[in-house]
Amino acid sequence: QSVLTQPPSVSGAPGQRVTISCTGNNSNIGAGYDVHWYQQLPGTAPKLLIYDNRNRPSGVPDRFSGSKSGTSASLAITGLQAEDEADYYCQSYDSSLSGVVFGGGTKLTVL
Amino acid sequence: EVQLLESGGTLVQPGGSLRLSCAASGFTFSNYAMSWVRQAPGKGLEWVSSISVRVGSSSYADSVKGRFSITRDNSNNTLFLQMNSLRAEDTAIYFCARSSDPVDYWGQGTLVTVSS
Repeated sequence: QSVLTQPPSVSGAPGQRVTISCTGNNSNIGAGYDVHWYQQLPGTAPKLLIYDNRNRPSGVPDRFSGSKSGTSASLAITGLQAEDEADYYCQSYDSSLSGVVFGGGTKLTVL
Repeated sequence: EVQLLESGGTLVQPGGSLRLSCAASGFTFSNYAMSWVRQAPGKGLEWVSSISVRVGSSSYADSVKGRFSITRDNSNNTLFLQMNSLRAEDTAIYFCARSSDPVDYWGQGTLVTVSS
């Protein structure tokens, strides 16, 4: 059972917009710790997609955006493309565990 | 170009020990905290341990505390993970990672299988 809760799967057609939620509590996201998002393509290592809630590393398309409110965060992907099909993970810090915590991951299927 | 190359993963019996290494290049290793993150087969990511730039300041997930030890050799740009008293549930791909919150670069991982 992951500390951060994500839906196991989401799907969308090419060109559509999808969102992935990440729900925590007052020991992690709600305590003000930043949320980061990673994309893991099949058979590869994860890649940083969004950091500090809403910032994109160089090279990440602006189709990807992040937001945070209260004890939750969200990743939005617009203009869905076939190559976006991957697993997505949120990550934050938890003060009660004194460590980094990940969400359970969300598998995005492009229909 | 930042590169992180893990090694040391193999098949080991329950109760055994293993030492993973991660050779870093393309950045000033001594300026960055480093971490290990693992992924069990078909499962999600799990943070294992992190070490600060200062040798001796480290943190561990509860699942490995007291069994695993993270160290670094800044003179040779290498990160280590000593794993003792290994259990079947430690079976995973172990990723070497630069920084921890967030991880901005990942290695390709090394597979550790704990089985008799």
